[in-house]
Amino acid sequence: GNSVTQMEGPVTLSEEAFLTINCTYTATGYPSLFWYVQYPGEGLQLLLKATKADDKGSNKGFEATYRKETTSFHLEKGSVQVSDSAVYFCALSEFSGGYNKLIFGAGTRLAVHP
Amino acid sequence: DARVTQTPRHKVTEMGQEVTMRCQPILGHNTVFWYRQTMMQGLELLAYFRNRAPLDDSGMPKDRFSAEMPDATLATLKIQPSEPRDSAVYFCASGLVRGPGGNEKLFFGSGTQLSVL
Repeated sequence: GNSVTQMEGPVTLSEEAFLTINCTYTATGYPSLFWYVQYPGEGLQLLLKATKADDKGSNKGFEATYRKETTSFHLEKGSVQVSDSAVYFCALSEFSGGYNKLIFGAGTRLAVHP
Repeated sequence: DARVTQTPRHKVTEMGQEVTMRCQPILGHNTVFWYRQTMMQGLELLAYFRNRAPLDDSGMPKDRFSAEMPDATLATLKIQPSEPRDSAVYFCASGLVRGPGGNEKLFFGSGTQLSVL
């Protein structure tokens, strides 16, 4: 079945450091890919998405490019802030049973300190 | 801002008791998902509703879990009887899908943290 694999956390960075969180996927066909973010005590929020190969999703300084050849969707940010501390989930959309369902990775916790 | 509302935020109960979790989806949304989040399993899809009809509940233990949408403004997830292994955070999410195979943006509630002692 389809699956998503993320790098294990926690990832600990200093403010203004460069961030990369790796995500690779296994899927039949060409799913849409997503990054969701979960701040402490809250539900998940969509951060960015890409629907086809070579698309780049971007939002709030975060970027991720849909790489079909490497089946990857790595999340990057050039300069992280303390407020970016959260858990980040990579996900793909799988069409099954007549609807699209999101398959999530295990999540990667990011801690940014001043 | 429109948001998905879940109640209660926290629930502590004893094994064997009935637990009911409620979700108010965003007005106008036509899909509702229930997810369970644990450290060991991550996010697991429990149930999916479209236009209030349950299209997929294959992720739910059928003997003790049930999910319903009595109307468009309320989705419920019930556990009876509850067990310690049900302890988790339960999230509801809603979205608007415009056609078969449509890919909606999901809006998540803040979750119900359930502890079964």
